[in-house]
Amino acid sequence: DIQMTQSPSSLSASVGDRVTITCRASQSISSYLNWYQQKPGKAPKLLIYAASSLQSGVPSKFSGSGSGTDFTLTISSLQPEDFATYYCQQSYRTPSTFGQGTRLEIK
Amino acid sequence: QVQLQESGPGLVKPSQTLSLTCTVSGGSISSGGYYWSWIRQHPGKGLEWIGFIYYSGSTNYNPSLKSRVSISVDTSKNQFSLKLSSVTAADTAVYYCVRDSSGYGGYFDYWGQGTLVTVSS
Repeated sequence: DIQMTQSPSSLSASVGDRVTITCRASQSISSYLNWYQQKPGKAPKLLIYAASSLQSGVPSKFSGSGSGTDFTLTISSLQPEDFATYYCQQSYRTPSTFGQGTRLEIK
Repeated sequence: QVQLQESGPGLVKPSQTLSLTCTVSGGSISSGGYYWSWIRQHPGKGLEWIGFIYYSGSTNYNPSLKSRVSISVDTSKNQFSLKLSSVTAADTAVYYCVRDSSGYGGYFDYWGQGTLVTVSS
């Protein structure tokens, strides 16, 4: 299986900050990388697909980049509703696998 | 707007079979173009892909669960189902049914709300 490793595992930030979360794949996955946001008690929500494409209806404050093995999710101008857990996921090869998650907390 | 809704027992005894059904509305499974997945999340943990099915019945399972998993589709009811046999406490999780944009190289764009299944005697 392709292992996905996110860093950091947790992150404290303030409203208005810009943050970056990193996801690394254990082998090259081209651009088959997706990002999700999950709030407590809710299903994950797709934010970014194919490494850098913004899902319809998702604010442009979310952006993704990268290819091969290294990827980033950047969230600008944090608002209270952005504090959640973020997951990356590779769809290059089955079984599809997820990162362990990055918990974004309010400082 | 596509909506997915899981249904099934919330409590299953060890060694028995977990059975869940996902009802899709707002779109037809038989129209093709999408794959239909099951994903689970152990309490307080990350996400694990279980497998997917295409409307034709073609399936792909996570090798870690393959010997115990079966996913089926009923296009007449616009539903797909999960069966996981010989369950243990390690199978306690929230189970999500999800639409996969393409099965291979895609993304999970619509999710059910999730249903907690507890394995306990």
